[in-house]
Amino acid sequence: GESVGLHLPTLSVQEGDNSIINCAYSNSASDYFIWYKQESGKGPQFIIDIRSNMDKRQGQRVTVLLNKTVKHLSLQIAATQPGDSAVYFCAEIASGGSYIPTFGRGTSLIVHP
Amino acid sequence: EAQVTQNPRYLITVTGKKLTVTCSQNMNHEYMSWYRQDPGLGLRQIYYSMNVEVTDKGDVPEGYKVSRKEKRNFPLILESPSPNQTSLYFCASSPRDGAYEQYFGPGTRLTVT
Repeated sequence: GESVGLHLPTLSVQEGDNSIINCAYSNSASDYFIWYKQESGKGPQFIIDIRSNMDKRQGQRVTVLLNKTVKHLSLQIAATQPGDSAVYFCAEIASGGSYIPTFGRGTSLIVHP
Repeated sequence: EAQVTQNPRYLITVTGKKLTVTCSQNMNHEYMSWYRQDPGLGLRQIYYSMNVEVTDKGDVPEGYKVSRKEKRNFPLILESPSPNQTSLYFCASSPRDGAYEQYFGPGTRLTVT
């Protein structure tokens, strides 16, 4: 597989646990945020997004929380499964600007059966 | 199947030998972009295109060229590759612009010796 996971923060959990992955963003003008999942040897895959007029959004087994005061984003995965093992990273976009997304370095999630 | 395809998936070349990495999407998306991914760093945008014949520099455009003659294709051109362009490259597309979720290709691993 690719070496995307090297040098990244790692979160190890047991199957069935809930996982929380955090992301600090830098631009106070960012108003759109996306979480991506990247499995070894594959391209990033969209998980969930949130706009700045919201502080919480839920999907299937995933929840994203946005705290604009401290510029913090989190991804919660409920009942984590081995198939959730991947690198997760956030992206921030200032839609009133250049539309160039800024991606975080990512967190490697390891789920033990 | 809706997808973004890239070719080749793996390429080893020598310094100075021009190369092109192709990218194609079948979703009729207007927005396409190229990223490079290096260990320990987040995805960094090289170039993007809002529509046919409209291209703009991303964060790291030096040493790269792109073209958008057709809506579905967005090739990445390295006129004179150098070893610091050894990286994992991803093409992505989006239905409108960078402020929306992007669909990524499988990646191209490029090694320049």
